[in-house]
Amino acid sequence: NAGVTQTPKFQVLKTGQSMTLQCAQDMNHNSMYWYRQDPGMGLRLIYYSASEGTTDKGEVPNGYNVSRLNKREFSLRLESAAPSQTSVYFCASSEGVGYTFGSGTRLTVV
Amino acid sequence: LAKTTQPISMDSYEGQEVNITCSHNNIATNDYITWYQQFPSQGPRFIIQGYKTKVTNEVASLFIPADRKSSTLSLPRVSLSDTAVYYCLVGDHTGGFKTIFGAGTRLFVKA
Repeated sequence: NAGVTQTPKFQVLKTGQSMTLQCAQDMNHNSMYWYRQDPGMGLRLIYYSASEGTTDKGEVPNGYNVSRLNKREFSLRLESAAPSQTSVYFCASSEGVGYTFGSGTRLTVV
Repeated sequence: LAKTTQPISMDSYEGQEVNITCSHNNIATNDYITWYQQFPSQGPRFIIQGYKTKVTNEVASLFIPADRKSSTLSLPRVSLSDTAVYYCLVGDHTGGFKTIFGAGTRLFVKA
């Protein structure tokens, strides 16, 4: 029972580079989310997907795109990374009571 | 979207009961109250959820007064391993969609 799996765990990008953060869940949850957490701060919602085939913006969507590939997978893409996107990114899923979070991707943009 | 207010930090000693209160004056009729725990370098972990009165599980208790404008997470007999950040969230029962995480309460348990 892996729960929510995120890859990679760590990544360093140069300004302007692009990359995709991967997330997969094996709990058959309908809803999936991407959050970012800056040092000493709470989590801020970037995008969410209420169900397969749908996505919607959260609090801080600028500079990101998402794809709900199927029910299991929800990816987050940075098209042109900026230092302000240095953060820890968490993927989560939910069905019923509460979220289940992945272990995070620590991204540094230099 | 209901906004929550929690203390920024709390200190306690091993073996004590810790109560963390969260204010949510604008809670909606359909909203549930959910608490999460987060350790450094990990994602938040669900602790407990309630709608009204009292809910208890093997980890914690959640007390919600009749007006539901606040809630209190109670951790019995804390240990050093309970040192973490605790988040109070208010939203629909799935805990999802646009539920907002605040800055949380940093609990530090001392020996």
